[in-house]
Parts: sequence; C-alpha cells; structure tokens
Amino acid sequence: EIVLTQSPATLSLSPGERATLSCRASQSVSNYLAWYQQKPGQAPGLLIYDASNRATGIPARFSGSGSGTDFTLTISSLEPEDFAVYFCQQRSNWPRALTFGGGTKVEIK
Amino acid sequence: QVQLVESGGGLVKPGGSLRLSCAASGFTFSDYYMTWIRQAPGKGLEWVSYISSSSGYTNYADSVKGRFTISRDNAKNSLYLQMNSLRAEDTAVYYCARVWREAGYFDYWGQGTLVTVSS
Repeated sequence: EIVLTQSPATLSLSPGERATLSCRASQSVSNYLAWYQQKPGQAPGLLIYDASNRATGIPARFSGSGSGTDFTLTISSLEPEDFAVYFCQQRSNWPRALTFGGGTKVEIK
Repeated sequence: QVQLVESGGGLVKPGGSLRLSCAASGFTFSDYYMTWIRQAPGKGLEWVSYISSSSGYTNYADSVKGRFTISRDNAKNSLYLQMNSLRAEDTAVYYCARVWREAGYFDYWGQGTLVTVSS
C-alpha cells in the first residue's frame, strides 16, 4: 500500500498569508495525485487533480505542483473561507486501490 | 445540480449488519463509476469500495473485503453498501462519491451518514 504523509499536521497563518502544504508518497505515484478541501461538518471537495490541474470553479490562488513522491499545495493568499483541512489522495494503482493522506489543518493564527 | 444523499446509517452491535443507500440526482447516474469513502470520527479519509457504471467491476479495501458488498440500481439512480460482520473499527461517516472521468478522483460527495458500531 502506498502511504501518503502530509506535513505539517497544523498550519497557523493569518488571512492574506501564503500557505504551503506538503504531501509525500512512500513510492512514486507519477502525477496521479489530488488535493481536497474539507470544512467542518462538510464533505470534502476536489481542488486539484493530476498534481497541478485545478478542478472546475476552483480559484487561481490554489495551485498544485510536484511529481513522483513529493507534492505541494500552495494557497497564494489565504481568504477567510480557506481555513479548513486539506487532504491529498493518490490513484496510481486505481482501480485496485487508492489512499489518502492524514490531512493538514490550516487554522487562523 | 448534482446531489448525492446517503441514508441508512445508525447504531449497530458488533457482528451486526447495515445497508447504506445513496440517492443520486442531477446527472446521468448510469454513466459514472461510484464509490464509498469513510471517515472515522476526527480522523482521515479511507476509500472503501468502488463500482463501475454497469456494475461489471467492483473492488474493495482490504479492511472490508469479504464483509462489505457494493451494488447499484441504475434504474433507481441508487448506490448501496451492504455491511456485514461489523466491527468497532468500522465506526465512521460513510460518504458516497462520484468518480470523476473513471479516473480515481472524486468530484461530488454526499453529506455522509454516520455508522456507529458499539455494544
């Protein structure tokens, strides 16, 4: 099983600041990685797919990068609605299996 | 608009069974792979199972293989998860989600239904 490790577990930032979230895979997943945002009491929503492509309707302040084992989600300037938990997910051996990272909580400093 | 509404969760004793349902609307259900994903309280996400658009292919996480069965009824725009031999570690919110372009990403999710396994 491919393990995804997200860091940091919690990121404390102020609105307007830049957020950089990391996701590391235990083995190469090529570019088959997505990022999701989950707000309290809500289901996750797809932000980024195939490492760097924004899903429909996602603002340009969200960007993804990386390939192989190291990936980054960047939020260029945090808006109040961006404070949430972010999960990465790999699908390199879909449909046999896929895995999620443990999540990074972006909280207001 | 796309809507996915889960139901059927509740409290069940260890070893018991439960059947979850997911009612889909706002898209051509029969065109899409569907999946179940769960989230234990305060924890991360775990993929559980998927089913192809015509039910020809299914797969399961190792943690539920042999105990859970996914199915769908395209005429009723509904997805199901039959859960047997439930364990305490199956306690979670269960989400149904639409598979985006059969690619293993999930573009629409329901709000989830809570399953609690406890004596």
